[in-house]
Amino acid sequence: QVQLVESGGGVVQPGRSLRLSCAVSGFTFSSHGMHWVRQAPGKGLEWVAVIWYDGSYKYYADSVKGRFTISRDNSKNTLYLQMNSLRADDTAVYYCARDPRGSGSHFDYWGQGILVTVSS
Amino acid sequence: SYVLTQPPSVSVAPGQTARITCGGNNIGSKSVHWYQQKPGQAPVLVVYDNNDRPSGIPERFSGSNSGNTATLTISRVEAGDEADYYCQLWDSSSDHHWVFGGGTKLTVL
Repeated sequence: QVQLVESGGGVVQPGRSLRLSCAVSGFTFSSHGMHWVRQAPGKGLEWVAVIWYDGSYKYYADSVKGRFTISRDNSKNTLYLQMNSLRADDTAVYYCARDPRGSGSHFDYWGQGILVTVSS
Repeated sequence: SYVLTQPPSVSVAPGQTARITCGGNNIGSKSVHWYQQKPGQAPVLVVYDNNDRPSGIPERFSGSNSGNTATLTISRVEAGDEADYYCQLWDSSSDHHWVFGGGTKLTVL
């Protein structure tokens, strides 16, 4: 069955960096676009970033552009999110999610989420 | 950037029909997707491409999309349907952004 498992979250001070990972199984990772979506405490869902199935295109929300970098290693079936210059308003549960069509669609499978807390 | 507007809350009695709207400029020309999220859990896709259901989602969940409003309809509402619901679409016109509505809390009375 399809599984997405996030890791790498935790508490980090403002201005520092953190890298999230999302290990996937149960489907052909290299055939699908992958996203990061986050949810601040008590708030709604916010799309963060996408990477095309082959890594050829990457797009970011304006709120993270220039600070976050999405990447993938298709040989390891793993998605990453490098988060630099973290701010308090980056505090959220971060989900990785699969795009069933490789790009430009919806999210059919989600990880369980990982909490990132930015605080001094 | 494209904005999706949802009512903060909708209430319905068990067995009745719940309708959750999602407003956007000419949204009827786009594909809209809907997610259900229960407390402490990841979102679950319940409707995609306006009115298709993933396998395992009951037929009670349906969608429509026309003009400036997309609607998620839940028929014969059950207590287990109480959750937050989010609409979402892909805005290819603004640097490829994926957009969510603000979410609607469905309360089963």
